[in-house]
Amino acid sequence: QQQVKQSPQSLIVQKGGISIINCAYENTAFDYFPWYQQFPGKGPALLIAIRPDVSEKKEGRFTISFNKSAKQFSLHIMDSQPGDSATYFCAAKKGNSGGSNYKLTFGKGTLLTVNP
Amino acid sequence: NAGVTQTPKFQVLKTGQSMTLQCAQDMNHEYMSWYRQDPGMGLRLIHYSVGAGITDQGEVPNGYNVSRSTTEDFPLRLLSAAPSQTSVYFCASSRPRQAEAFFGQGTRLTVV
Repeated sequence: QQQVKQSPQSLIVQKGGISIINCAYENTAFDYFPWYQQFPGKGPALLIAIRPDVSEKKEGRFTISFNKSAKQFSLHIMDSQPGDSATYFCAAKKGNSGGSNYKLTFGKGTLLTVNP
Repeated sequence: NAGVTQTPKFQVLKTGQSMTLQCAQDMNHEYMSWYRQDPGMGLRLIHYSVGAGITDQGEVPNGYNVSRSTTEDFPLRLLSAAPSQTSVYFCASSRPRQAEAFFGQGTRLTVV
């Protein structure tokens, strides 16, 4: 059972455009929703994260939109640049409940290509 | 500050061979975990540890063993490598009640 579903699998955007990646989750116990960015040959690195008590979080050109009732969240990259070309993973983590409060459940990833 | 260090970066094994993937962190993080990354499959949790002496299985534990004798180190052992274990392996660490996980650079393993 895939607990976090991510789409699209790949995305091509022109420089200056808006990149949008969507994720949906099933488990209402999730209380932390990060996005990780991974460049080729590197490990994933935290990009931006949100908790369900807010509907939007913005850091520079990156914005997370969160819809608790729909159990969906999305990453928007404004003014996309070629340097943003990477694989993006959404993830979710449960709240404090023993050992499981550390585990991240990842989506399958989106390969973003920003053409110059 | 090195963060999370994984060795080796690349490894080729023959079917049936054993090996240990090393992971060390210098941030005094209690929680450490191992993931494998396969095309189109995202990151899948193999094993994790919430502290020295405590380990538990993740989503895809079969064929892998772990131990955690110190806070800093969390090695992943393949006892008898199979071609299905060809993958990129990532180790990660984090603090309790701190949401961010820090990942190593990965180990690319090929089993022939």
